Amino acid sequence: EVQLVESGGGLVQPGKSLRLSCAASGFTFSRHWMSWVRQAPGKGLEWVAYMNQDGSEKFSVDSVKGRFTISRDNAKNSLYLQMNSLRVEDTAVYHCARTAATGRGLDVWGQGTTVTVSS
Amino acid sequence: DIQMTQSPSSVSASVGDRVTITCRASQGISSWLAWYQQKPGKAPKLLIYAASILQSGVPSRFSGSGSGTDFTLTISSLQPEDFATYYCQQANSFPFTFGPGTKVDIK
Repeated sequence: EVQLVESGGGLVQPGKSLRLSCAASGFTFSRHWMSWVRQAPGKGLEWVAYMNQDGSEKFSVDSVKGRFTISRDNAKNSLYLQMNSLRVEDTAVYHCARTAATGRGLDVWGQGTTVTVSS
Repeated sequence: DIQMTQSPSSVSASVGDRVTITCRASQGISSWLAWYQQKPGKAPKLLIYAASILQSGVPSRFSGSGSGTDFTLTISSLQPEDFATYYCQQANSFPFTFGPGTKVDIK
């Protein structure tokens, strides 16, 4: 079964750090772009960051640049999001998602891990 | 960054109705557009990619069209399981921005 499972979320104070992980199974992880997408409570989807198959290219949205770092370990079939200097507005459910081999749609999603930034 | 807008923001419809949702990009994105369905508490589900290609397993009552800046998602005959929020997303250039969503609820 093709699956993505996120972990690492939790309650954290503003200014602190958190590292999210996404474990992939059921497909050849190293063949796919991977992304993080978040959804604040009651809000829409926000694309956060992307990394290409071998990790040589990445991109993140302006609101997290300089604070969040996406990375991957193809040997461990895992995607990561290192989140530093967290802000209250980073509170959201964070999903990892696979980009399909054609068309660039996000065709496999994890159920998400919840990050709450609050003092 | 490319901005995505959707209309309407919400629509009330009945089972069997035809529903059309519009998505507009702030600049041309060719056919690099995807549509997703999201139900409360669930992860989004890919419905359509490359503007008009139906994702495997998605019912044929869903269809997409458009290119450039204007796109539509059509549900030809609304079913009870289709009540959800629908998002478009451009995949032409980073960041791959989403539209604000369209909520389809029961009339």
